[in-house]
Order: sequence, then structure tokens, then C-alpha cells
Amino acid sequence: QKEVEQNSGPLSVPEGAIASLNCTYSDRGSQSFFWYRQYSGKSPELIMSIYSNGDKEDGRFTAQLNKASQYVSLLIRDSQPSDSATYLCAVNIYGSSNTGKLIFGQGTTLQVKP
Amino acid sequence: SAVISQKPSRDICQRGTSLTIQCQVDSQVTMMFWYRQQPGQSLTLIATANQGSEATYESGFVIDKFPISRPNLTFSTLTVSNMSPEDSSIYLCSINTGASNQPQHFGDGTRLSIL
Repeated sequence: QKEVEQNSGPLSVPEGAIASLNCTYSDRGSQSFFWYRQYSGKSPELIMSIYSNGDKEDGRFTAQLNKASQYVSLLIRDSQPSDSATYLCAVNIYGSSNTGKLIFGQGTTLQVKP
Repeated sequence: SAVISQKPSRDICQRGTSLTIQCQVDSQVTMMFWYRQQPGQSLTLIATANQGSEATYESGFVIDKFPISRPNLTFSTLTVSNMSPEDSSIYLCSINTGASNQPQHFGDGTRLSIL
């Protein structure tokens, strides 16, 4: 069973702090990794994609990937109350049909307190 | 980016009935996916829908319970059959607009409650 693991939280940080969200995955063949943000009552929204080892920055968001450790993380700098949401880690599983299906972690709830 | 429209946005149904959820995309896409998100849970893939072929179902999901149609490259339906309260969930369709290693994008979902 291919798995994606996240700490469900809640992770509580003060406004302006760095929030660090972590995710591990079991399938060493995974090649694509995504972070989605889901506000309560809404559908998931893609915020970051990462494909290579190292860091990828986009505004206040930085995704980090370490394939050797099977670990992917998301850093949110200068956290704002509007960042309060559930963050879902998703891993692209390559099957024999190469359909690109995603396996999601259980999500980490982030609370940013003013 | 592609616009994904799901209908209905929500519904309340009686147990034993069936409901068909529609997913319409404003451009042609190869892959469409159907997910279930139970209350307080993450997303679980139900099936992958390819145009012109049978849907591929994940472990724990069967065609008799969740029949899927994919008549063309812009449209798909998911039917939830013989519903019970355990089927109360959000059902989401998603698309992959590029290569299979690209991210998926989601419709707004259908919030289904079974009485």
C-alpha cells in the first residue's frame, strides 16, 4: 500500500512566524509532489509543485524535497491569519498505465493566530 | 487554466436512491478523476475516467456502486447508487491538463447528505 503521511495537527503559529509542514511518502518511485491548500467548505487549491531535490520558492511559500529521505515539506514565511487552512500533501504515483493518479496525505490543519 | 464545473453543488437524498454528479470542463482533457472526501478526512481516489474506455477503480470501490461515464473529452459523470448514510461525503472531480506527472485541478465539489 503506497502511503503519504502527514501530522494532522493542528499546527498553531503566531502571525508573522514561519509555519513548517512536513510529509513523508513510501513509494521510492514517486516523481512529482504537490501541496494543496483547502479552506473549510472549499475544494483543494494547488499552491506548490516540486519535482527535483532541493528547494523551490514561490512568494512566501517554499517547498523542499529530499527523495533519498522520502520527505517533502512546505514552509510558509510571514504567516497570515488568511493562511489558516488544511494543507494536503499529494504524491503522484506512477502505475503501469502511468495515469498520474495522486495519493493524498491526511492533511495538516494550520492555525495562524493574530 | 481550465474551468471545471460540477453539478449539483449539494444535495440531500433519501437512502436507497441514486444521484448522478456531473463534471464539465471548458477544454478537452485526457484524464479525469473522481475523489471522495468523507467528513474530516482527506481525499480518496474513487476512479480514473478515460474517454472511450472503462473507468479504472481503486481498491474498495466498485462499478456497481459508483458507475462512471466519460462520453467525451470535456465531460464525465459519477453516480452514487443505492445510497446509505455512509455515502455522505464531498465528491470531487479533478483533471490533469498536461502530462501525467503534472498536478490535478479540482472542481468545487458536490456535498452529499443521505438521510
